Amino acid sequence: QKEVEQDPGPLSVPEGAIVSLNCTYSNSAFQYFMWYRQYSRKGPELLMYTYSSGNKEDGRFTAQVDKSSKYISLFIRDSQPSDSATYLCAMTIQGAQKLVFGQGTRLTINP
Amino acid sequence: NAGVTQTPKFRVLKTGQSMTLLCAQDMNHEYMYWYRQDPGMGLRLIHYSVGEGTTAKGEVPDGYNVSRLKKQNFLLGLESAAPSQTSVYFCASSPQSRWPQHFGDGTRLSIL
Repeated sequence: QKEVEQDPGPLSVPEGAIVSLNCTYSNSAFQYFMWYRQYSRKGPELLMYTYSSGNKEDGRFTAQVDKSSKYISLFIRDSQPSDSATYLCAMTIQGAQKLVFGQGTRLTINP
Repeated sequence: NAGVTQTPKFRVLKTGQSMTLLCAQDMNHEYMYWYRQDPGMGLRLIHYSVGEGTTAKGEVPDGYNVSRLKKQNFLLGLESAAPSQTSVYFCASSPQSRWPQHFGDGTRLSIL
């Protein structure tokens, strides 16, 4: 079993919909959680960075961490065609030397 | 702001040839990483470095070597390329391990 599980999709939704992307993990020691967006033929770029449990909002994006369920989510409100990309979750522990990535979910927003 | 720059962007090699991929960062980051990304496999860590002069193995190190002679550069070498090494290679850097990593735009490598 992988340490971080992420449904690879693909996920296709109409423009303006609310999108929910999720990752589950098995290591309860994870403390730092990230979401990256990767456009085709580009490197991943950081969208959201959160520590421990709770919500963090940035514009149309909300990151949610539920440590009791070992579950993190990224919500995209008022989705736009420009949000079409692959979204990767990543997480780590204080003192660890590397991140653990999910497989990535490919998202398409249809005009 | 260049960030993380990878050279070359594309390369085609024949089986058995060698090559070096260069990663340069201008953010004074301590940590640098090399990943490969294959369809359905996500990002897999090849090697990483926690500072100038140091290197360590990731989850898929076989067939690759790395060097970090200068803080800003991290080189990935393929001594004898194999078709199984056809992939997109990403370099990343971060100031500390728990901080987000900054990625380059990748090197697309095909080995025939």
